[in-house]
Amino acid sequence: GEDVEQSLFLSVREGDSSVINCTYTDSSSTYLYWYKQEPGAGLQLLTYIFSNMDMKQDQRLTVLLNKKDKHLSLRIADTQTGDSAIYFCAVSFAGNNRKLIWGLGTSLAVNP
Amino acid sequence: NAGVTQTPKFQVLKTGQSMTLQCAQDMNHNSMYWYRQDPGMGLRLIYYSASEGTTDKGEVPNGYNVSRLNKREFSLRLESAAPSQTSVYFCAAIRDTEAFFGQGTRLTVV
Repeated sequence: GEDVEQSLFLSVREGDSSVINCTYTDSSSTYLYWYKQEPGAGLQLLTYIFSNMDMKQDQRLTVLLNKKDKHLSLRIADTQTGDSAIYFCAVSFAGNNRKLIWGLGTSLAVNP
Repeated sequence: NAGVTQTPKFQVLKTGQSMTLQCAQDMNHNSMYWYRQDPGMGLRLIYYSASEGTTDKGEVPNGYNVSRLNKREFSLRLESAAPSQTSVYFCAAIRDTEAFFGQGTRLTVV
């Protein structure tokens, strides 16, 4: 079946780059998303990539997709304390009634 | 433009009490979802509605019922609350597969 996995925690120093990784099991993915959840808030879409793309860049965010390895990553350049949050990877799969399959989330801690 | 609005934001129930969590969207999206979020378990889908008038079970539907009253509103009902239903509940409206979330309802069952 479809599954999405992420590491649960990441700690970086302010100003460094953060790389959050996600792997998924089914090769019929269509869209792959990164959501951000700040404490006490709902999830907000950060960025997404279509499965026929390898890379997408949006200001400090870079998404890399390795479809052969079923690996998705989110790189945050010049990480700031305001980037501290939980980051969720979500994948939509063809033929799955458009449901999203979610990773458990990676908690990013940015230390001054 | 509110997006997805959930009420209430916080609720404490006694075991056995019932309540309805409300969700409304102003984006005219067909699909609406209810998730629960628990520590270490990510988001788990309770029920979803692909369009007005239809509802389907997700991963963890037991103990819940839903109503898709119209295109805007999708409510989640707990008929007899249990401590295991202590969680944060999120409603989402889906366009294609992009999800727009409400701010969540933090429910505690004692």
